[in-house]
Amino acid sequence: DVKVTQSSRYLVKRTGEKVFLECVQDMDHENMFWYRQDPGLGLRLIYFSYDVKMKEKGDIPEGYSVSREKKERFSLILESASTNQTSMYLCASSPRTGRWPLHFGNGTRLTVT
Amino acid sequence: GDSVTQMEGPVTLSEEAFLTINCTYTATGYPSLFWYVQYPGEGLQLLLKATKADDKGSNKGFEATYRKETTSFHLEKGSVQVSDSAVYFCALKSRDDKIIFGKGTRLHILP
Repeated sequence: DVKVTQSSRYLVKRTGEKVFLECVQDMDHENMFWYRQDPGLGLRLIYFSYDVKMKEKGDIPEGYSVSREKKERFSLILESASTNQTSMYLCASSPRTGRWPLHFGNGTRLTVT
Repeated sequence: GDSVTQMEGPVTLSEEAFLTINCTYTATGYPSLFWYVQYPGEGLQLLLKATKADDKGSNKGFEATYRKETTSFHLEKGSVQVSDSAVYFCALKSRDDKIIFGKGTRLHILP
């Protein structure tokens, strides 16, 4: 079974802090994704990566950056956290072909105070 | 652009009731269609999929049929259980390989 592991289930950070969310997958998938999930808005794609050191903006990249130095690890970075970035963050991975199905981690609930 | 619309929740049913969660889509061409389920405290899991018109996806008693004429992919289950309580997401894979999700439907099953 594919395992996508997000390093934290819950995080509480202060406004202005730099925040790192880590995600690791163990199935040698080429594609990795970061989504945020908000009530009434569903899932929105922040960034994705289709190879090491490659990244592409999703639908809502503002205020975020990403890093993919190794194939199995994809990090989401909030350069200066703000309260409107309080959300559930979901990491996902998929094999190169067709980019589906997506395999998700259990999510990180981030609260910015 | 491509989009997915699913019925708003929450949907509350009694155990053993029949379930339908509506999903319609707008897309260029013939996208692949999916239902994902998110149980409390967990990430999303693929529930079922269909890749072409008239395909029926099925898993764990759930079914959905790809209807090209009505651009729909409604999720159904004949007899729901308390353990089916979750959030259900309809999604499509577009021609340019994007995965587009609906907003999710929360399902509560009462014992």
